[in-house]
Amino acid sequence: GIQVEQSPPDLILQEGANSTLRCNFSDSVNNLQWFHQNPWGQLINLFYIPSGTKQNGRLSATTVATERYSLLYISSSQTTDSGVYFCAVLKAAGNKLTFGGGTRVLVKP
Amino acid sequence: DAGITQSPRHKVTETGTPVTLRCHQTENHRYMYWYRQDPGHGLRLIHYSYGVKDTDKGEVSDGYSVSRSKTEDFLLTLESATSSQTSVYFCAIGPKDTEAFFGQGTRLTVV
Repeated sequence: GIQVEQSPPDLILQEGANSTLRCNFSDSVNNLQWFHQNPWGQLINLFYIPSGTKQNGRLSATTVATERYSLLYISSSQTTDSGVYFCAVLKAAGNKLTFGGGTRVLVKP
Repeated sequence: DAGITQSPRHKVTETGTPVTLRCHQTENHRYMYWYRQDPGHGLRLIHYSYGVKDTDKGEVSDGYSVSRSKTEDFLLTLESATSSQTSVYFCAIGPKDTEAFFGQGTRLTVV
């Protein structure tokens, strides 16, 4: 199956700092999504981004499909950004959405 | 919000008893998924469905069965619950190759 690796596994930020989270995948994909799991356990859709760049407020994401990676940028971090960020991919011609191990982010006030 | 409802939201059951979790959608999506989330393991796929009565196994399917008799409902059954099946279970829906959405999760404790 496809392998999905996220880095770093843990990230501690001071409020206001910027950060970059990375997702590497081992095969061609038709679907790549970023999710934020908040402290209450809810999985929130951030981006559907199989290729290209998207921005939503302080968050942006870039996927370079030919090089098999995606980046999630958090700018001017806030304490509400704390939680776990997951990358998930759907292999080309596949049916299974496969998750990376996540990056746990803690933003300190 | 995507129309996904999981029930129950919390359940405590005894070892050896059968348990059924329900995922209900109002979006008419073809694909539905069951995942479990455990500390240190992220989200792992149990089973998925790509249409009514069309299901397939994921990476951690042992001890679980599923059924999908109509588009809107995807049931996950633990035939004889074990303590290793204590977990948080998530259902997801989506058309293939586009954005998937998750339910709120079911916290299952097997004692």
